[in-house]
Amino acid sequence: EVQLVQSGAEVKKPGESLRISCKGSGYSFTSYWISWVRQMPGKGLEWMGKIDPSDFNINYSPSFQGHVTLSVDRSISTAYLQWNSLKASDTAMYYCASGPAFGYWGQGTLVTVSS
Amino acid sequence: NFMLTQPHSVSESPGKTVTISCTRSSGSIASNYVQWFQQRPGSAPATVIYEDDQRPSGVPVRFSGSIDSSSNSASLTISGLKTEDEGDYYCQSYDPNIVVFGGGTKLTVL
Repeated sequence: EVQLVQSGAEVKKPGESLRISCKGSGYSFTSYWISWVRQMPGKGLEWMGKIDPSDFNINYSPSFQGHVTLSVDRSISTAYLQWNSLKASDTAMYYCASGPAFGYWGQGTLVTVSS
Repeated sequence: NFMLTQPHSVSESPGKTVTISCTRSSGSIASNYVQWFQQRPGSAPATVIYEDDQRPSGVPVRFSGSIDSSSNSASLTISGLKTEDEGDYYCQSYDPNIVVFGGGTKLTVL
């Protein structure tokens, strides 16, 4: 069974750093790009960027370039999304997605940033 | 970069047919495949159409997709509407290095 399992919900303060994860199983992890998608409360889906686990090539959405960092650890089939300094406006649900034509989705990680 | 524009909401009665449009702002709709995702409240998105008109296994034949180069748009059509079809629907396409989602359409079946 194909699964993308994301790390649990996080509550952080503004200015703190954070890394959330997405672990793939049941398919060839290096065969497909992994994308990250933001969904702010009550809003639509926003593509943040993608990373190719086979060669670590990364493409960021211009809207998120410089604000987040994507990485991957092929040895444990896990992708990461990282912030160095969170803002209240980063409060959102974050999904990882992979597979052919975004066929695989994680369950989402809720990030809450509040003082 | 291009944008994908969808109607904010649509509503229809059970048993009827509804079509949701997705218009590409620049570049040809036919130049890159279009996917459609369904998102029910509290759940992750799930693919209902990929590569313009292909249905994943498990998605009912009531769901169909198409593209129209004359209007530079893609469409998702759901026939024989059921209350379980309610939710948000997003189109998506891409350039080689950029992925774009439409703003989403809220489908109400009443």
